[in-house]
Amino acid sequence: NAGVTQTPKFRILKIGQSMTLQCTQDMNHNYMYWYRQDPGMGLKLIYYSVGAGITDKGEVPNGYNVSRSTTEDFPLRLELAAPSQTSVYFCASSPPATGTSGKEQYFGPGTRLTVT
Amino acid sequence: GNSVTQMEGPVTLSEEAFLTINCTYTATGYPSLFWYVQYPGEGLQLLLKATKADDKGSNKGFEATYRKETTSFHLEKGSVQVSDSAVYFCALSEAGGTSYGKLTFGQGTILTVHP
Repeated sequence: NAGVTQTPKFRILKIGQSMTLQCTQDMNHNYMYWYRQDPGMGLKLIYYSVGAGITDKGEVPNGYNVSRSTTEDFPLRLELAAPSQTSVYFCASSPPATGTSGKEQYFGPGTRLTVT
Repeated sequence: GNSVTQMEGPVTLSEEAFLTINCTYTATGYPSLFWYVQYPGEGLQLLLKATKADDKGSNKGFEATYRKETTSFHLEKGSVQVSDSAVYFCALSEAGGTSYGKLTFGQGTILTVHP
């Protein structure tokens, strides 16, 4: 069982370049999330999705776009890379909450992105 | 809005010492509470969780009790090991409504354990 996988593991971009960070989960989870983690900081939510075709902004969406065409995949697109987007990016998934209990999220190993 | 506050780090301990990492939260509803651990170069892993008041989550010798009256979820371990060196995150999630399982994280606490 692979869980949540992310590619690439590392990437260096020049300012203004574009790229897509890939995320795939094999747990049939409805909910998926993208976070960024800056050095010495906690995680901030970029975008999330509650199912195929449904996405919404999180806390820090500017400069990013997402799509969700299948349950399994949730790619994150950077259109015009800026140095402020240098960070570690984590994808996560979870099943929907049941009753009054929130569910834990399952995280991928992360993508370390440097924009120079 | 929701928020999570963790004790400032880094925390440095000797092996077999007692560990406490404080976590307090504010939430509008009745959240579930989590501790995640991040080992160097890896993603976050769930360490333990509690879904209602007075629940105690436990795993790998770590424990945390959901205290609604003090809005706290402090992480404890009686005897730490070098292998426990990692970053620890407290988080909360509210069920229902438009929360969609979103997690609110604390800023993380770096733990270093020396032999």
